[in-house]
Amino acid sequence: NAGVTQTPKFRVLKTGQSMTLLCAQDMNHEYMYWYRQDPGMGLRLIHYSVGEGTTAKGEVPDGYNVSRLKKQNFLLGLESAAPSQTSVYFCASSGAGGSQPQHFGDGTRLSIL
Amino acid sequence: GQNIDQPTEMTATEGAIVQINCTYQTSGFNGLFWYQQHAGEAPTFLSYNVLDGLEEKGRFSSFLSRSKGYSYLLLKELQMKDSASYLCAVRGGNTGFQKLVFGTGTRLLVSP
Repeated sequence: NAGVTQTPKFRVLKTGQSMTLLCAQDMNHEYMYWYRQDPGMGLRLIHYSVGEGTTAKGEVPDGYNVSRLKKQNFLLGLESAAPSQTSVYFCASSGAGGSQPQHFGDGTRLSIL
Repeated sequence: GQNIDQPTEMTATEGAIVQINCTYQTSGFNGLFWYQQHAGEAPTFLSYNVLDGLEEKGRFSSFLSRSKGYSYLLLKELQMKDSASYLCAVRGGNTGFQKLVFGTGTRLLVSP
């Protein structure tokens, strides 16, 4: 089972460049999430989606945009990358129901120079 | 606001028992999750508590006291492969149905 797949796994960008991170899940989950993980700060929610065509802001949304045109895909965009966005980005998905755990992808390691 | 506290690092010996604590202050409470994360890898789900008491899953157990805002993860018969970070995450009452707030994690080092 693939579960949650993130592409790319690594990327180096220059300040001001743009890019899109792709997340795909094959578990038919309603909910999808984008997190960033930085040393000493834990996982912080960037944006999330409760269904196809819907998105909402999380804790740290500034500088990011998202889209969920298909239920299985959740895209995270950086319009103009900044060094402060250097981080490890994790996508997750979960089914409906409070006890359903979030399943995480392997992460994207992004460096902004 | 939301605040979750965990120790930064713990050490233990192979075969021993270790308890990792998590205290939280949230606006409402709708469940607490524990995740394991090996270095350079994704977090993986370990346990879920929503009612007070102990949930046991093999070598791992998780306890919750809602009145005290307290949980712990108990790892028995420690193995070298248990060296990892352990993340406590709380689903608060006013953060949306599925949104979790994560602690910074406890790095556990298991030595021979």
